[in-house]
Amino acid sequence: GDSVTQMEGPVTLSEEACLTINCTYTATGYPSLFWYVQYPGEGLQLLLKATKADDKGSNKGFEATYRKETTSFHLEKGSVQVSDSAVYFCALSDRGQAGTALIFGKGTTLSVSS
Amino acid sequence: DSGVTQTPKHLITATGQRVTLRCSPRSGDLSVYWYQQSLDQGLQFLIQYYNGEERAKGNILERFSAQQFPDLHSELNLSSLELGDSALYFCASSLGPPGTDTQYFGPGTRLTVL
Repeated sequence: GDSVTQMEGPVTLSEEACLTINCTYTATGYPSLFWYVQYPGEGLQLLLKATKADDKGSNKGFEATYRKETTSFHLEKGSVQVSDSAVYFCALSDRGQAGTALIFGKGTTLSVSS
Repeated sequence: DSGVTQTPKHLITATGQRVTLRCSPRSGDLSVYWYQQSLDQGLQFLIQYYNGEERAKGNILERFSAQQFPDLHSELNLSSLELGDSALYFCASSLGPPGTDTQYFGPGTRLTVL
């Protein structure tokens, strides 16, 4: 079945450092890809998405490009802030299925210190 | 704020009991999804409704059931509770038929079974 694999955390960075969180997927159809973020004590917030190959999603300085050839959707940010400390989830949604659930990776915890 | 509301925020109960979690989707959204987040299983899809009808089932136990009402709110019923049911339960909603658009998550209900 479809699956998402994320790099294991935690990831610990200093403020203004560059961030990359790796995400690869396995899917039989043509998935949409998402990054969600969960701040401490809160629910999941959509960070960005891409619906087809070569699309780039971006939001709040974060970017991810849908790479069909490498089945990847890595999350990047050029300069992280303390406020970016959270758990990041990569997810896919297979539009080919009648009832479409999101399939999540296990999440990557990011901790940014000043 | 995603516009998805969930009540209660916290729920503490005993083994063997039954609880009901409630979700109101974003205004205009017809699809409702339920997910369970636990430390060992991560984020897992439970069940999905579209305009009052069940559309997909995931790893939902037989002790769990859900429904979506004519006003589109949804309830997740958990019965014969076990310690292992302790988790964060999220509701998400999306506008149209499954697979066509983004899911927006509520803040979650934290269930503790003692």
